[in-house]
Amino acid sequence: MLAQNPLSLSVTPGQPASISCKSNRSLLHSDGQTYLYWYLQKPGQPPRPLFYDVSSRYSGVPDRLRGSGSGTDFTLRISRVEAEDVGVYYCMQGIFLPWTFGQGTKVEIE
Amino acid sequence: EVQLLASGGGLPQAGESLRLSCTASGFTFRDYTMTWIRQAPGKGLEWVSAISGDGDKTYYADSVKGRFTISRDNSKNKVYLQMHSLRAEDTATYFCGAPSNWGPGSLVAVSS
Repeated sequence: MLAQNPLSLSVTPGQPASISCKSNRSLLHSDGQTYLYWYLQKPGQPPRPLFYDVSSRYSGVPDRLRGSGSGTDFTLRISRVEAEDVGVYYCMQGIFLPWTFGQGTKVEIE
Repeated sequence: EVQLLASGGGLPQAGESLRLSCTASGFTFRDYTMTWIRQAPGKGLEWVSAISGDGDKTYYADSVKGRFTISRDNSKNKVYLQMHSLRAEDTATYFCGAPSNWGPGSLVAVSS
């Protein structure tokens, strides 16, 4: 089970934002990878992959976004929020079946 | 460029069946476990089912086990989700893909 916090966030452009994702089990696999992903979903679109293995960026993800954490506690940070960052952010674990998503964190611009 | 396109959604009645298809391109399809996830209107994301690259292993969420069947045809770069005994709670947009890429969804709206 993954618990995200907060579930909604209103941020002034240029200010930082942070989303927590906590698992009740360690997501570290014996192969050395941690199967924790982050996604951003905008209305009417599929989830866009942002990070895999906690902090590895998918192509095109800006440096302003950073994934961190280990074991059971993870964080997505945006150093300076921009208009394009609005949407719902989800964490997902891909080590235990069924794969599960966090509840989602809705990020809005003030 | 990776492309994934789900199709086959519709407006079945409760108890009816429907088959979703997903066509993939831009990567070596047989090398990847393919997955279906879904999103009920206004709700979060839910993992539904997955199938290994060779099709030998299949996995299901408890909510669909015994009613849905996932399969693939590596010669056509397609993955399928056969859905039987549909329920109102199966109403959702269904996305196919893998953790690194999800395609546009296909809407299934089950009427009771």
